[in-house]
Amino acid sequence: GAVVSQHPSWVICKSGTSVKIECRSLDFQATTMFWYRQFPKQSLMLMATSNEGSKATYEQGVEKDKFLINHASLTLSTLTVTSAHPEDSSFYICSEVSHPSYNEQFFGPGTRLTVL
Amino acid sequence: GENVEQHPSTLSVQEGDSAVIKCTYSDSASNYFPWYKQELGKRPQLIIDIRSNVGEKKDQRIAVTLNKTAKHFSLHITETQPEDSAVYFCAASYSDFGNEKLTFGTGTRLTIIP
Repeated sequence: GAVVSQHPSWVICKSGTSVKIECRSLDFQATTMFWYRQFPKQSLMLMATSNEGSKATYEQGVEKDKFLINHASLTLSTLTVTSAHPEDSSFYICSEVSHPSYNEQFFGPGTRLTVL
Repeated sequence: GENVEQHPSTLSVQEGDSAVIKCTYSDSASNYFPWYKQELGKRPQLIIDIRSNVGEKKDQRIAVTLNKTAKHFSLHITETQPEDSAVYFCAASYSDFGNEKLTFGTGTRLTIIP
């Protein structure tokens, strides 16, 4: 399957600061990447779909001005949590689709964000 | 959009016995149904998947069945081992403006009792 990396693996920040999370496709040029959020003991919730060279598509209830997504190249998508607050503390995971004709998604290792 | 329900939320099974996890979905247009295993603090790992043109798929001790008419699919793990202990998520894929999105079930925490 596809290989996806994320950086950082964990981050602790103060309330009000912004945090950038990187998602890289290591063996595939991903035109589409997805960003998920997972709260403790809960399921994965899709936040947005990141398409290379165009604006991200956000799911209902996700603030696009708070969660900025940039997909500037075929191998890199970034998620910036702006003005983070304690309720934004979560596990953020990106994924990529292995091939445009298939549905399989392969996930990055995730980023644990803790906002103090 | 798609809605996926998953049962049970927790499941304890004696080592060597079988475990079954069930999911139902709402969108008849969904055509791809993966199962993921997630260990604490780790990424979800795809363990098996099935497409809507197939009724059953098996990979060693793991099998998945799909009933399109009833809109439900199940994961079967036979001869369970302690390393099978994890949280399992089902998902259904639906097409949204050309993007194949996944909707996840709520998860099942499987515990294998030695």
